[in-house]
Amino acid sequence: GQNIDQPTEMTATEGAIVQINCTYQTSGFNGLFWYQQHAGEAPTFLSYNVLDGLEEKGRFSSFLSRSKGYSYLLLKELQMKDSASYLCAVRDSNYQLIWGAGTKLIIKP
Amino acid sequence: ETGVTQTPRHLVMGMTNKKSLKCEQHLGHNAMYWYKQSAKKPLELMFVYNFKEQTENNSVPSRFSPECPNSSHLFLHLHTLQPEDSALYLCASSQDNEGGFTGELFFGEGSRLTVL
Repeated sequence: GQNIDQPTEMTATEGAIVQINCTYQTSGFNGLFWYQQHAGEAPTFLSYNVLDGLEEKGRFSSFLSRSKGYSYLLLKELQMKDSASYLCAVRDSNYQLIWGAGTKLIIKP
Repeated sequence: ETGVTQTPRHLVMGMTNKKSLKCEQHLGHNAMYWYKQSAKKPLELMFVYNFKEQTENNSVPSRFSPECPNSSHLFLHLHTLQPEDSALYLCASSQDNEGGFTGELFFGEGSRLTVL
């Protein structure tokens, strides 16, 4: 079967750096997505990786290793507003999105 | 209005009621989706409309019935639901090409459904 694994919850300190990991086993691969979802709000697109390597976008970076079936989302200079759930999703060979259960990130002062 | 809007934001219904969720997208996209989001579970894709054609999803109970009258509007009709159907129902849209969907989904803020 197809599966996306990510930690259920993580805690980090304001101003610090946190890395949220995502591992996947899917039928084929056509890209990996990260979405952010604040409580009670819509998920919003953060990043997309289809080739190996690091994609940087401001304080957020996303890394992909296709051979290892692994990605991470790196958040730098954490702010209280970064408290949210982070969803990892992989697009399989049928162009269907397979979703992880999300990682709830708690930022403490 | 911009983006994807969903109404109602909150809905409480009994198991014998009939209700509908509405979604409208103002992005000019050609594909719309219904997702179910339950606590600590992955998003579950319920229905997809690409180019006005529905993609079958045999795993969704028949008590959920989608309707897509045009590329901007999507409904989810609810009938004789069960308490385990209580969840957040998210609508999303994307711009697809013929080779498959292009990537970024734009979500609405969801309709929180409680079935008593």
